Amino acid sequence: DIVMTQSPDSLAVSLGERATINCKSSQSVLYSSNNKNYLGWYQLKPGQPPKLLIYWASTRESGVPDRFSGSGSGTDFTLTISSLQAEDVAVYYCHQYYTTHTFGQGTKLEIK
Amino acid sequence: EVQLLESGGGLVQPGGSLRLSCTASGFTFSSYAMSWVRQAPGKGLEWVSAISGGGVSTYYADSVKGRFTISRDNSKNTLSLQMNTLRAEDTAVYYCAKENSFPVFDYWGQGTLVTVSS
Repeated sequence: DIVMTQSPDSLAVSLGERATINCKSSQSVLYSSNNKNYLGWYQLKPGQPPKLLIYWASTRESGVPDRFSGSGSGTDFTLTISSLQAEDVAVYYCHQYYTTHTFGQGTKLEIK
Repeated sequence: EVQLLESGGGLVQPGGSLRLSCTASGFTFSSYAMSWVRQAPGKGLEWVSAISGGGVSTYYADSVKGRFTISRDNSKNTLSLQMNTLRAEDTAVYYCAKENSFPVFDYWGQGTLVTVSS
């Protein structure tokens, strides 16, 4: 099974500042036949279901603000929020869908 | 509008059984694989099981293999999870999630709480 490891476990960022969350997979999630990384990012707020933010490591889901961006390839990935807003307080999860499904342990994002 | 509505959660004793259901609407149910994903109290998301659109192929996390059975009734737009031999560590909110063609989870239900306790 592919193990997903996120860092840090928690993060406090000032409003308007950049937030960066990292995700590392135990094996590559890059599928050579289509050159796509099978990596997604979700946002989870209390009392709400998870929300898909990013897929293919860097493609924003429709309706997701452009302050959210994803990058990386192979085994190392990053979710960046360019200018933190109050409504971005949540737990963020990376997700590999290269072989069945695995989530990272989550990163709790708070306001400093 | 895509909607997924879970039901069937509740309190059950260790070793007991429970059946969860998810009723889908707003999309062609039989065209998409579906999954169950859970979140234990204070813990992260854990994928539990998936089933192909036609119901032929099923997949399970090692933690539930042999105890849980996923199924679907495409004539009723319903996804089910039969959970047997339940353990305390199965306590969680269980989400029904639609997989798109990639497959990422593009729509989720609100979740149903399963509590395994004596």
